[in-house]
Parts: sequence; C-alpha cells; structure tokens
Amino acid sequence: DVKVTQSSRYLVKRTGEKVFLECVQDMDHENMFWYRQDPGLGLRLIYFSYDVKMKEKGDIPEGYSVSREKKERFSLILESASTNQTSMYLCASSSGGDGNQPQHFGDGTRLSIL
Amino acid sequence: RKEVEQDPGPFNVPEGATVAFNCTYSNSASQSFFWYRQDCRKEPKLLMSVYSSGNEDGRFTAQLNRASQYISLLIRDSKLSDSATYLCVVNKGGGADGLTFGKGTHLIIQP
Repeated sequence: DVKVTQSSRYLVKRTGEKVFLECVQDMDHENMFWYRQDPGLGLRLIYFSYDVKMKEKGDIPEGYSVSREKKERFSLILESASTNQTSMYLCASSSGGDGNQPQHFGDGTRLSIL
Repeated sequence: RKEVEQDPGPFNVPEGATVAFNCTYSNSASQSFFWYRQDCRKEPKLLMSVYSSGNEDGRFTAQLNRASQYISLLIRDSKLSDSATYLCVVNKGGGADGLTFGKGTHLIIQP
C-alpha cells in the first residue's frame, strides 16, 4: 500500500510567519503534488514536481514555494503566512511520467493562520 | 465549459436503493478517469479507475462515454457507510501535472 505522510494534522500559525509543511512518500513515486481544499472550491493545485529538484507551478502558486531535495520528500513553504491561506492542505504522489496514474493522498494538514 | 463538472447534490437516498452520478469533462484528449471517495474532513481516496469497456467492483459500476465526454458511477444496494463525497477525476491529457478533480457529489444514505 502507498503511504503518504504529512508532518502535521493540525497547525496554527500567526500572520507573517514562514510556515513549512512536509510530505514524505514511501513508494518511490516520481510525481508529487500539493493542493489546498476549501469549501465550495474543491481541490486546487498549488505546485507539483515530477523529479528531484524539479518543480512546476500549479493553478494557485502565489504566496507559496516548494522544495524537493530528495525523491521521497516534497515540502510546501508559505513565505509569509496570511489569513487567506487558512485551509486544508493535501499532499499526493503518483508514479510514471505521463500524468495518467491515480494520485495517492496524505491525511492532510488543517492550517489556521491567525 | 468547466474542465470537470459534477452535480454537487446532496443526493439523499434510502438505504438499499441504487444511486447513479454522472460527471462531464471538457478535454477530449483525456485518457485516464477515476472516481475518488472523500469522507468529511478526510483525504480523498481512490475508489476505482474507469475503463473504456466499463468496470465493476462489487456494488460499484463505472462507465465511460467518450463520445459524449461523461463518466458515471452506479452504486447498488447502498449502505449507510457509502455516505461521502464522490469526486470525478480526469487526467489533463498529457504531462506530469496529472489530474483535474471535480468538486464532488455529496451522497447521504438514510436509514
């Protein structure tokens, strides 16, 4: 079974803080993704990576950056947290280079920015 | 037209009934299709892939209609535990950025 592990289930931070969300997968998957999910808006792709040290912007990258130094780990960074970044953050991974494979999700991190 | 469109519901269905959802997609180049299930405050989980010939997994049947660009999910003999949000997922037709997720259809099975 694929295991995608996110470092925190719940996180509370203050406006202006730099926030790190960590994600690790154990299936040697090439592709990793960060989404946020908000009521009524569904899943929105922030960034994805198809290889170590590679990153691509998704649909809503503003205010975020990512890091992929190792294949199994994909980090999401909120450079200066703002209240509109309060959300559920979901990490996912998938195999293959063609984007056709299903994605497997971590448990999610509920982030609150005060 | 939205990339992936679903009726948000909620669908209120008595236990034991059969329920079906449809989902339409806009990209005719899409090759891969999936249904995911998401419980309240949990992560989405893969329910089943959808193949051109249609496929069945126990009480669940998925169908693909490429000509009309829609996929469907049928649940027979519904259980209380089937209550969840069902996400229709379609690949973007190329590249590693992968999948487009619908906003989901909310299903409530009533005793």
